[in-house]
Amino acid sequence: ETGVTQSPTHLIKTRGQQVTLRCSSQSGHNTVSWYQQALGQGPQFIFQYYREEENGRGNFPPRFSGLQFPNYSSELNVNALELDDSALYLCASSLELGVGEQFFGPGTRLTVL
Amino acid sequence: EDQVTQSPEALRLQEGESSSLNCSYTVSGLRGLFWYRQDPGKGPEFLFTLYSAGEEKEKERLKATLTKKESFLHITAPKPEDSATYLCAVGASGTYKYIFGTGTRLKVLA
Repeated sequence: ETGVTQSPTHLIKTRGQQVTLRCSSQSGHNTVSWYQQALGQGPQFIFQYYREEENGRGNFPPRFSGLQFPNYSSELNVNALELDDSALYLCASSLELGVGEQFFGPGTRLTVL
Repeated sequence: EDQVTQSPEALRLQEGESSSLNCSYTVSGLRGLFWYRQDPGKGPEFLFTLYSAGEEKEKERLKATLTKKESFLHITAPKPEDSATYLCAVGASGTYKYIFGTGTRLKVLA
């Protein structure tokens, strides 16, 4: 069974640029959530996708957007990067919507200069 | 407002010195309480799910318990490899998002 994978591992961007982060769900999982984790903080919910539709969103501006594909892999896009966007971005998948635990990927460390 | 508070923020233990981590939560309806372990620079690793008050789960030196307002993660005779940040999260009824606490940073000294 393949776990959740994310790419890239690390990324450095400058303010104002755009970035795309990618996630492959654990095999058989149809729900993907994205989180932002600042240093020393717990993960903050960005949004969730279920069967290619956005199912819920946290307190993040519209410049944070996402996609889920038919194979349940997912992308997180961030436009007009700000310095405060520097964080660890985590993807988590779960077997079904609203059921049970989420399994996390290793994360993408984004640094905005 | 749904909220999760973890205490203490940091904990240093000697190897073999048992202790407990606390997770207090306020949620409109609990859909599940989850414990994760996170090593520096890595994604959280799933440990336990608890669904109802009185429930207990065990894994090696870890035991998680749940009441109507809080959960405890008990660590018995910890080893240095148990050093990590332990995160608690809740799922609230009516929403599919998970709310995380800020974690407890545990350091176990040999």
